[in-house]
Amino acid sequence: DIQLTQSPFFVSASVGDSVTITCRASQAIASYLAWYQQKPGKAPNLLIYLASTLQSGVPSRFSGSGSGTEFTLTISSLQPEDFATYYCQQLNSYPRTFGQGTKVEIK
Amino acid sequence: EVQLVQSGAEVKKPGESLKISCKGSGYSFTSYWIAWVRQTPGKGLEWMGKIYPGDSETRYSPSFEGQVTISVDKSISIAYLQWGSLKASDTAMYYCATVGYCSGEPCPHDAFDIWGQGTMVTVS
Repeated sequence: DIQLTQSPFFVSASVGDSVTITCRASQAIASYLAWYQQKPGKAPNLLIYLASTLQSGVPSRFSGSGSGTEFTLTISSLQPEDFATYYCQQLNSYPRTFGQGTKVEIK
Repeated sequence: EVQLVQSGAEVKKPGESLKISCKGSGYSFTSYWIAWVRQTPGKGLEWMGKIYPGDSETRYSPSFEGQVTISVDKSISIAYLQWGSLKASDTAMYYCATVGYCSGEPCPHDAFDIWGQGTMVTVS
């Protein structure tokens, strides 16, 4: 199985800050990576697919980059509604796997 | 509105059987794979497997194959996840999700873009 390691596990940030989350894959996965946002008590919500393509309706302050084994999710100018947990997922091979999550909390 | 609506929370005893459901509406249910995902505090999100409602083709994660059964009744647009004998370790939130729906347009990805609200299963 492909392992995805996210860092950091936890981010404390203020409204207006920029935050970057990294996802490293245990083997190359080209650009077959997605990012999800999950708020407490809710299902995950797709933000980005193919490493850098924004899902329809997702604000442009979210951006993704990377290929191969290293990927990043950047949230520029954090808004109150962005405080949540973020997960990466690889879609290169089976079984599909997720990172362990990064929680973004209000400082 | 495109949505997946899951069945309600369940509380079961070890050894009991269980079948939870995921009903799709607002789209062509038979045309898109449905995936099942388990979420626990300890292991996070885990992909369990998927089913194609059009022909019931399934694919399981090795971690879950033989432990659960994924099925579908396309006549009523419902996908199922079932256990023959529950264990305490099956306690989790379970989500269904469409794979690569892309609002019904040609989809360049197979990420999970429509999710059900989740079904909490407690085995105790």
